[in-house]
Amino acid sequence: GAVVSQHPSWVICKSGTSVKIECRSLDFQATTMFWYRQFPKQSLMLMATSNEGSKATYEQGVEKDKFLINHASLTLSTLTVTSAHPEDSSFYICSASPPGGRANYGYTFGSGTRLTVV
Amino acid sequence: GDSVTQMEGPVTLSEEAFLTINCTYTATGYPSLFWYVQYPGEGLQLLLKATKADDKGSNKGFEATYRKETTSFHLEKGSVQVSDSAVYFCALSHTGTASKLTFGTGTRLQVTL
Repeated sequence: GAVVSQHPSWVICKSGTSVKIECRSLDFQATTMFWYRQFPKQSLMLMATSNEGSKATYEQGVEKDKFLINHASLTLSTLTVTSAHPEDSSFYICSASPPGGRANYGYTFGSGTRLTVV
Repeated sequence: GDSVTQMEGPVTLSEEAFLTINCTYTATGYPSLFWYVQYPGEGLQLLLKATKADDKGSNKGFEATYRKETTSFHLEKGSVQVSDSAVYFCALSHTGTASKLTFGTGTRLQVTL
């Protein structure tokens, strides 16, 4: 079945540094991937929609300069948290839908990345 | 806009008890409906789905029926196990590869022996 790999699964970084999170579709091509953020004991908040070969579409209230998204190929999207601060600490999850599957077949999620900024 | 409302948790049940987690939605047209499960420290896994009215999604003993008339998609399981302890998310999406998922707030289920 469709598999989405997310890396790293956890990362600790110092305040002011940048962190890159990768999301790969392993056995299918994904023209669109989604990035979510999840706060403790809360639901997922869609941050942005990543489109292969074009700019990402950010949700209202999400700082595009803080959360840089690059979708350079049909199997890889990256989220870079720039100049990270403790309030950026969270669980980040990506997802993609296999081609032809669309919403009817559900979305495949990565295993998530736990970011801790100290 | 679209929205999904789930019953608040946590829900605590004894093993072999019957489970119901309510989910209602507001959306235009005919969205697809999903239940996702998240185990501690992990991403989300699709549990089941339904794409049109009266469809019943089922998987691993869990069931949910797409009720257009009541705009609901309640999750049920006849006999829960300790291993079912997780957070369950109800979600909807419209057709289209670039269509995003709208999630409910999630319901934490704790099953005890």
